[in-house]
Amino acid sequence: TQLLEQSPQFLSIQEGENLTVYCNSSSVFSSLQWYRQEPGEGPVLLVTVVTGGEVKKLKRLTFQFGDARKDSSLHITAAQPGDTGLYLCAGAPQGSGYALNFGKGTSLLVTP
Amino acid sequence: KAGVTQTPRYLIKTRGQQVTLSCSPISGHRSVSWYQQTPGQGLQFLFEYFSETQRNKGNFPGRFSGRQFSNSRSEMNVSTLELGDSALYLCASSLGGQWGYTFGSGTRLTVV
Repeated sequence: TQLLEQSPQFLSIQEGENLTVYCNSSSVFSSLQWYRQEPGEGPVLLVTVVTGGEVKKLKRLTFQFGDARKDSSLHITAAQPGDTGLYLCAGAPQGSGYALNFGKGTSLLVTP
Repeated sequence: KAGVTQTPRYLIKTRGQQVTLSCSPISGHRSVSWYQQTPGQGLQFLFEYFSETQRNKGNFPGRFSGRQFSNSRSEMNVSTLELGDSALYLCASSLGGQWGYTFGSGTRLTVV
C-alpha cells in the first residue's frame, strides 16, 4: 500500500517554465520531507515541513504543508536544467515511529 | 564533515548466496535506516536502528537482517539471495529521524 501518492509521475518542461509537484495521503503526518535524487546517487534532503499550513522557500523552490498535515506540494519557479532529477516526498505517519514512507517520486526533466 | 559512507558501491552475486552491506553514518548520528530502491516499488523501508537497537522493521522477509555496532556503524545482510533482491540499497543516518535523513550513495546489488 502506497501511503504517499505523488503526481505527476513524469514531467518534461522547458527552461524557464514553472511547475508544481503534489504529494497526497489519507494519513496525518507529523512532518513531511522532500528529497531530490540524481541517477546513481542517494536522495538529498531539500526541506522538512512540520506545521500545518507551513510554507518554506529555498531559492526558486517553494514547499507547502497542507493545513491538515496530509499533503504537501513543491513549486519550482523558472525551472533550470540543474533542477532535473527525481523528487521524492517522505514522511512517517503520526504515531508510527521512525519508518519513513516514500512516494514513488516525480521524475523531472528540464531542457534548455 | 564526512557524509554517509556505504560499501561496496557495486556488487554482483549469484542466486542462493548471501551478502553483507556496510554503512558508516555521519559522526554523531545514532539513527541509521536502510531502504531498498527498485524501479517498480520505489524506496521501501527495511529497518531502523538507534543506539544498537532495532526500533522499526519494514515488511520484508526474514532473509533481510541488520545490526548496529556501538560506534553506530551498521550492516545489513541478505541471505539466500533471489533475483528480485536486485536493487539499490540505501543507508541513511539522522540525529532524529523526523527532521530528515542524510543518505549514502547506495550499494547497487545485482543478483544473477
